[in-house]
Amino acid sequence: QKEVEQNSGPLSVPEGAIASLNCTYSDRGSQSFFWYRQYSGKSPELIMSIYSNGDKEDGRFTAQLNKASQYVSLLIRDSQPSDSATYLCAVIKRNTGKLIFGQGTTLQVKP
Amino acid sequence: GAGVSQSPRYKVTKRGQDVTLRCDPISSHATLYWYQQALGQGPEFLTYFNYEAQPDKSGLPSDRFSAERPEGSISTLTIQRTEQRDSAMYRCASSPGGGFGEKLFFGSGTQLSVL
Repeated sequence: QKEVEQNSGPLSVPEGAIASLNCTYSDRGSQSFFWYRQYSGKSPELIMSIYSNGDKEDGRFTAQLNKASQYVSLLIRDSQPSDSATYLCAVIKRNTGKLIFGQGTTLQVKP
Repeated sequence: GAGVSQSPRYKVTKRGQDVTLRCDPISSHATLYWYQQALGQGPEFLTYFNYEAQPDKSGLPSDRFSAERPEGSISTLTIQRTEQRDSAMYRCASSPGGGFGEKLFFGSGTQLSVL
């Protein structure tokens, strides 16, 4: 079992729709959770971080964390073609600096 | 420096040769990570440093792989006796450190091809 699991996709949504990206993690002791975006041929860049249960909103992005279910999600509202990229979920275990990435979900937003 | 710098940008080598990849993190960043990324996959953790200390190298695939950060700044990743399966993008990232969960700043990566 991978430590961080994502559906590789592709996830295809029409422009203006809500895109929902999901991630599960195996270590219950994980304490910090991140979403990175990676455009094709580029390096990952951080878009959201979340540390406690519940929702965290930043513009069109909302991260959701449920530690009991070991589940993290990212919602992108009013999806734009420029949001087309691979979205990487990343998790840090408690009291370590080891940051583990999932395999990423490819999002395609169609005009 | 202004950002994380990796060199070389591309490296082509023959199977069995040794290669050394370099990472120059953002000045004063305490934490430095190395990842291996295959096409279509997420970055796979190799190792990380807090200054010159290397708390975790559990992701290094074999003893052919080693990493150093002797003065707590520039880091090198060395692959001995390269094999074709080592072909991948190698990414370095740094963060300010002092806590776990800070933003990572990635370099542009080194694309390694082993022929």
